[in-house]
Amino acid sequence: GAVVSQHPSRVICKSGTSVKIECRSLDFQATTMFWYRQFPKQSLMLMATSNEGSKATYEQGVEKDKFLINHASLTLSTLTVTSAHPEDSSFYICSARGLAENNEQFFGPGTRLTVL
Amino acid sequence: GQNIDQPTEMTATEGAIVQINCTYQTSGFNGLFWYQQHAGEAPTFLSYNVLDGLEEKGRFSSFLSRSKGYSYLLLKELQMKDSASYLCAVSDGDYKLSFGAGTTVTVRA
Repeated sequence: GAVVSQHPSRVICKSGTSVKIECRSLDFQATTMFWYRQFPKQSLMLMATSNEGSKATYEQGVEKDKFLINHASLTLSTLTVTSAHPEDSSFYICSARGLAENNEQFFGPGTRLTVL
Repeated sequence: GQNIDQPTEMTATEGAIVQINCTYQTSGFNGLFWYQQHAGEAPTFLSYNVLDGLEEKGRFSSFLSRSKGYSYLLLKELQMKDSASYLCAVSDGDYKLSFGAGTTVTVRA
């Protein structure tokens, strides 16, 4: 199956700093990438949809100025959590969709963010 | 909006069969996915249904009825490693996935 990587896998930062998370599709070109957030014992919540070369589409309630998404190429999307606060601590997961007939999304391994 | 319901928890014995039901009401439909997620890890793909009927893949099978907005995931010959959270997700007209809250399956010896 297709492989999606995320970096870093874990990050601990101080309140007020910005954190960048990278999502890469390693062996296919991702027409669309998605960013999810998952709080403990809850399901994945879609934050935004990222298409290469265009602005991301954010879900209702997600601040686009706080969660900056850049999809610079067909294999890389980045999520920057700006001025992070403890309530932003969560598990952030990206997924990538290629041109598979079943519209399957391939998930990255996730990034555990802890804001002190 | 999307509304996806699945049971919170299920417990079964090793070697047994467990069926996880999922009902959904969505604004668009481009298929239904089942994912397995172990604690602290990303979801892994199990199955995809876009047409009515049963899809079988080894010990796992998934069923879909679009008219009823209903799906189930059937896990056979349960193994201890099957203890995990199982997520039902519906793809809408824009190929976005909406996830249910997940069903935690505990397999006991």
